[in-house]
Amino acid sequence: AQSVTQLDSHVSVSEGTPVLLRCNYSSSYSPSLFWYVQHPNKGLQLLLKYTSAATLVKGINGFEAEFKKSETSFHLTKPSAHMSDAAEYFCVDGSGYALNFGKGTSLLVTP
Amino acid sequence: EPEVTQTPSHQVTQMGQEVILRCVPISNHLYFYWYRQILGQKVEFLVSFYNNEISEKSEIFDDQFSVERPDGSNFTLKIRSTKLEDSAMYFCASSDGTFNEQFFGPGTRLTVL
Repeated sequence: AQSVTQLDSHVSVSEGTPVLLRCNYSSSYSPSLFWYVQHPNKGLQLLLKYTSAATLVKGINGFEAEFKKSETSFHLTKPSAHMSDAAEYFCVDGSGYALNFGKGTSLLVTP
Repeated sequence: EPEVTQTPSHQVTQMGQEVILRCVPISNHLYFYWYRQILGQKVEFLVSFYNNEISEKSEIFDDQFSVERPDGSNFTLKIRSTKLEDSAMYFCASSDGTFNEQFFGPGTRLTVL
């Protein structure tokens, strides 16, 4: 079965510094991958999606992710963290009939 | 921008009671889903629904669960006899089928006492 592994359960960065949230996928064919964000007491919001059109995917709020087949990775990055980025981030495999969520990475942004 | 809505936002019920969670998917979407997230755990797939029938379901979705699209806009999840372990955040999602991109509602927090 297709799955994703989020390598960090918690990441802490200072405001204004880069963000890196790591995700590896396992798929025997070209995957469909997403990053979702969940702010406290809010629903799940789609940040960006990879659908094989381009390896570098740009999303909302300045986030990007790069699909690297050789490393089976789909890491989420942002050049400069903002306080409002503090949230739970989910790497998601959409290759199957349902979305398969990673366990999530909690991003803490400190002043 | 169209969005998925869910009601109620919070539901508290006694063990053994029936609950119905309601969702209004995005109007031109044809695929509908329910997921749940137990506190501190990952989001889990429950069921998908297309063309007025269940298309896939997980092992979580046992006989206590049912889904229905009673009219052209609502999509409901019924839990017939709630258990303590049903306490979770329940998310509804919908999709037009493109790349399995699903749009989520804000969730219903169900607490079973």
